[in-house]
Amino acid sequence: TQLLEQSPQFLSIQEGENLTVYCNSSSVFSSLQWYRQEPGEGPVLLVTVVTGGEVKKLKRLTFQFGDARKDSSLHITAAQPGDTGLYLCAGGPQLSFGAGTTVTVRA
Amino acid sequence: NAGVTQTPKFRVLKTGQSMTLLCAQDMNHEYMYWYRQDPGMGLRLIHYSVGEGTTAKGEVPDGYNVSRLKKQNFLLGLESAAPSQTSVYFCASSYGAGIGNQPQHFGDGTRLSIL
Repeated sequence: TQLLEQSPQFLSIQEGENLTVYCNSSSVFSSLQWYRQEPGEGPVLLVTVVTGGEVKKLKRLTFQFGDARKDSSLHITAAQPGDTGLYLCAGGPQLSFGAGTTVTVRA
Repeated sequence: NAGVTQTPKFRVLKTGQSMTLLCAQDMNHEYMYWYRQDPGMGLRLIHYSVGEGTTAKGEVPDGYNVSRLKKQNFLLGLESAAPSQTSVYFCASSYGAGIGNQPQHFGDGTRLSIL
């Protein structure tokens, strides 16, 4: 059973546009991690959010953890082709992963 | 700094054959993990280890065995390969458990096809 649901499954946007991807669950998590995976490579950790309502910024990426610690979002401002990849959220005692959102940024 | 290294990178097997995937990490991490990644399914945990000499089952352990004889190595075995085991396999390691603030460091994967 997959505990984390990510939406949308696919997202294709033009360079310079903004985008938001979501990670939702019916369970409460002590923390959530976000990873980015590029083709032919393993996932790489972007950020960990641990406090309900927390907002973390990583350059043009903004991560938010829901107040109830059941959901999280990733917002990218002024997307660039280098942001293309599979974005995965993960959490739980055995670090369950969502199925991911495939983001394509067109030049 | 190599991080997590997986061998081989690609392999094609026939149904019923056996093979071992090797994962090596040079970060002195205690925890190591094996995942499989299938389209639309995300990463699913097969087995993991919390230290040398220990192993535990994850979400999808059937058909796989693992061993952690040395701290830096984690082996994944397929005793009798089946087409349903066609997947991309990822190994990861972490200083502590994957929860909390401990990141997992992943290898680049092994692409395995079972004919």
